[in-house]
Amino acid sequence: QVQLQQSGPGLVKPSQTLSVTCVISGDSVFSDSATWDWIRQSPSRGLEWLGRTYYRSNWYNDYAESVKSRISIDPDTFENQFSLQLNSVTPEDTAVYYCARGDYKGGSFDYWGQGTLVTVSS
Amino acid sequence: EIVLTQSPGTLSLSPGERATLSCRASQSVSRYLAWYQQKPGQAPRLLIYATSTRATGIPDRFSGSGSGTDFTLTISRLEPEDFAVYYCQRYGTFGQGTKVEIK
Repeated sequence: QVQLQQSGPGLVKPSQTLSVTCVISGDSVFSDSATWDWIRQSPSRGLEWLGRTYYRSNWYNDYAESVKSRISIDPDTFENQFSLQLNSVTPEDTAVYYCARGDYKGGSFDYWGQGTLVTVSS
Repeated sequence: EIVLTQSPGTLSLSPGERATLSCRASQSVSRYLAWYQQKPGQAPRLLIYATSTRATGIPDRFSGSGSGTDFTLTISRLEPEDFAVYYCQRYGTFGQGTKVEIK
């Protein structure tokens, strides 16, 4: 059974960097059929896909245009986890952040983390 | 960029009734469209992927259909635990959701 366990601070100051980590159990970050994604949810923006990392002989990333200039999603192959970093945050980045396992071919998300509420406020 | 529009915004039904939820894409898409259920305080749960394939453990009262730009999630007989918000999704795009509430 795949499980995704998230951790990270719930409060970030404006202009600083938001960081959330997702530990994978029951699968490998090297999976050749999965992608490892970050999705956020807020009342104003709904569910918003942010980006993904995946391994296909090399590591690859895809990012949403809306955050492309300030996002990084990185695998940690030793700890079997992956992380989200979002730079230069503003109050509009306040949301519940989810990690999820994606299906590379079909694009659906079959396992999700529990969610992390991140508030951007001074 | 493809936009997914769900209708109706809210569906008020009684347990035992049939629910029909719509998801319309702004242009023709492949069969890789998924549906999720979300309850308050929980992450979305995958119900249907590739238009009509039920995810593991999903009861057969949930079914998906459609092609091109029009897709449908049907719940044949609503159980009390089915009252929730439902989202369609295709790759990096989600619909805005349909809330199924108790009438």
